[in-house]
Amino acid sequence: QVQLVESGGGVVQPGRSLRLSCAASGFTFSSYVMDWVRQAPGKGLEWVAFISYDGSNKHYADSVKGRFAISRDNSKNTLYLQMNSLRTEDTAVYYCAKPHYASGIHLFDYWGQGTLVTVSS
Amino acid sequence: DIVMTQSPDSLAVSLGERATINCKSSQSVLYSSNNQNYLSWYQQKPGQPPKLLIYWTSTRESGVPDRFSGSGSGTYFTLTISNLQAEDVAVYYCQQYYSTPYTFGQGTKLEIK
Repeated sequence: QVQLVESGGGVVQPGRSLRLSCAASGFTFSSYVMDWVRQAPGKGLEWVAFISYDGSNKHYADSVKGRFAISRDNSKNTLYLQMNSLRTEDTAVYYCAKPHYASGIHLFDYWGQGTLVTVSS
Repeated sequence: DIVMTQSPDSLAVSLGERATINCKSSQSVLYSSNNQNYLSWYQQKPGQPPKLLIYWTSTRESGVPDRFSGSGSGTYFTLTISNLQAEDVAVYYCQQYYSTPYTFGQGTKLEIK
């Protein structure tokens, strides 16, 4: 069965960096676009970024563009999110999400349990 | 960016009754080349990730009970939950996947009256 397991969250000071990982299993990871979606405490869902199946194409929300970088290692079935210059407003649970279709239609049929990032001094 | 606006923000419905949640997009999410509305619905229970309920406006995800149904086109969409059960208490989100950024509604909290 499909499993997505995020890790790497924690408490970090403003301006510092953090790298999240998402280990995927149960599907052909290398064939799928993958996304990150976040949810601030008590708030709604915000799409963050996606990466194409081969890593050649990446898109970001304006709120993270220039600070976050999405990447993947298909040999390890792992998705990453490098977060730099973190701000207090980046505090959220970060979810790794698998699109329903491999081709890049961004509706999500599997989500990880999420990893909490807290940006605070 | 396409702004998704849900109404109401919260509602309370009696067990066995019908719940209706609306979602309005700031521009059409109907893709003319395939005549599909790029609109999905998710259910999120406390402490859990979202769960996909419906996509392409009205297609139920595998395993989703048929008391959940979706309708609409263009910019107005509706999620209907018939015969409300206690386990349907959750926050419901609509999402457009027509264009980046892939935006969600603010959520509708459904409770039992």
